Amino acid sequence: AQSVTQLGSHVSVSEGALVLLRCNYSSSVPPYLFWYVQYPNQGLQLLLKYTSAATLVKGINGFEAEFKKSETSFHLTKPSAHMSDAAEYFCAVSEESGYSTLTFGKGTMLLVSP
Amino acid sequence: DTAVSQTPKYLVTQMGNDKSIKCEQNLGHDTMYWYKQDSKKFLKIMFSYNNKELIINETVPNRFSPKSPDKAHLNLHINSLELGDSAVYFCASSPIGRKNTGELFFGEGSRLTVL
Repeated sequence: AQSVTQLGSHVSVSEGALVLLRCNYSSSVPPYLFWYVQYPNQGLQLLLKYTSAATLVKGINGFEAEFKKSETSFHLTKPSAHMSDAAEYFCAVSEESGYSTLTFGKGTMLLVSP
Repeated sequence: DTAVSQTPKYLVTQMGNDKSIKCEQNLGHDTMYWYKQDSKKFLKIMFSYNNKELIINETVPNRFSPKSPDKAHLNLHINSLELGDSAVYFCASSPIGRKNTGELFFGEGSRLTVL
């Protein structure tokens, strides 16, 4: 069975500061890993995904994440936060198979202050 | 062009009523899903259909009945609505087989409020 743990339901940063959102996963087979972002009253938008290619994955809006198998982690980072980054971020895992079933973490709300 | 579209976006209704949410995708995907997002933002899969066949049913009350008339549509009908059904329901789709990268493509969500 697969699962995802996101540390911290809320993360607060100042504009221009480093963003670090933590995600650890559990999977019995090689996983696919994803970060989705949800802006208020909107759907989920894919930020980036890891599908067994390069371990450092670059996504949209300057975000990137590194897959570390030894740590079962897939933390999301951005060097410099922008006010527009304030949103809910979800880490998700899917096991490589014919059908996708994404299991989501509980989400981390990113708050950005001026 | 909207890839995954859901209607209605907002739905307010009384307890005991029956309501439906419709979903359509124009991505040519074979698999469609319904996810429920509760008040704490937790996302949980409810159903998955592949080419009109039910493949995942995650212990959802049988008051919830998905229907897939074709592989581009997956509707959700809810009977005898309860207060606890209030949530945002997301439709999603994905390809399968060699095209599958695990990614799901989500609609904008349908916010259901039961009074």
